[in-house]
Amino acid sequence: AQKVTQAQTEISVVEKEDVTLDCVYETRDTTYYLFWYKQPPSGELVFLIRRNSFDEQNEISGRYSWNFQKSTSSFNFTITASQVVDSAVYFCALSEARTGANSKLTFGKGITLSVRP
Amino acid sequence: EAGVVQSPRYKIIEKKQPVAFWCNPISGHNTLYWYRQNLGQGPELLIRYENEEAVDDSQLPKDRFSAERLKGVDSTLKIQPAELGDSAVYLCASSLPGRWETQYFGPGTRLLVL
Repeated sequence: AQKVTQAQTEISVVEKEDVTLDCVYETRDTTYYLFWYKQPPSGELVFLIRRNSFDEQNEISGRYSWNFQKSTSSFNFTITASQVVDSAVYFCALSEARTGANSKLTFGKGITLSVRP
Repeated sequence: EAGVVQSPRYKIIEKKQPVAFWCNPISGHNTLYWYRQNLGQGPELLIRYENEEAVDDSQLPKDRFSAERLKGVDSTLKIQPAELGDSAVYLCASSLPGRWETQYFGPGTRLLVL
């Protein structure tokens, strides 16, 4: 069975601070995908990144960066110089790849990030 | 390109009443998903369609929930009768053929059962 743990429930920072959102996962598969989604107050889930289990390279996209470490089963997300518009709920998710189209996205409980001006 | 469209955005009903949610996926996306998101939780899959066929409905409470996707495009999720515990956000998502790992989500329908 697959599981995603987001131990932080709420984080509050002041604008321009850096913030890291933690994600720890469990899976028995050797091939899997990891995701981060953003859910603003409007409700839709916005796709941020997908990582497959064979690619441990860290990724940077603008102010966003992701640190994937298989040794600790973690896929952490850092926002640099946070902005008020970053305020949202952030979900980490896991999908096992071996079952292909039958794979399911398993989400963590989400982290509510509040960025104060 | 238009995203996944859902309606209504909000619905308030009394328990034991029926309710239906509608989803129009992104054009060309043959896979459609319905998720339920309880307060303070991540979404959980209810049912997945490949075209008009429900290929995974193992998490759908079939005693009161039903879904259909008659022409392989739009889909409707129904609850009858609704219970207090059904209060949640119901999200629809879609993906391209063979691209199950990239799902696009709609804004959801927020249901409150009184």
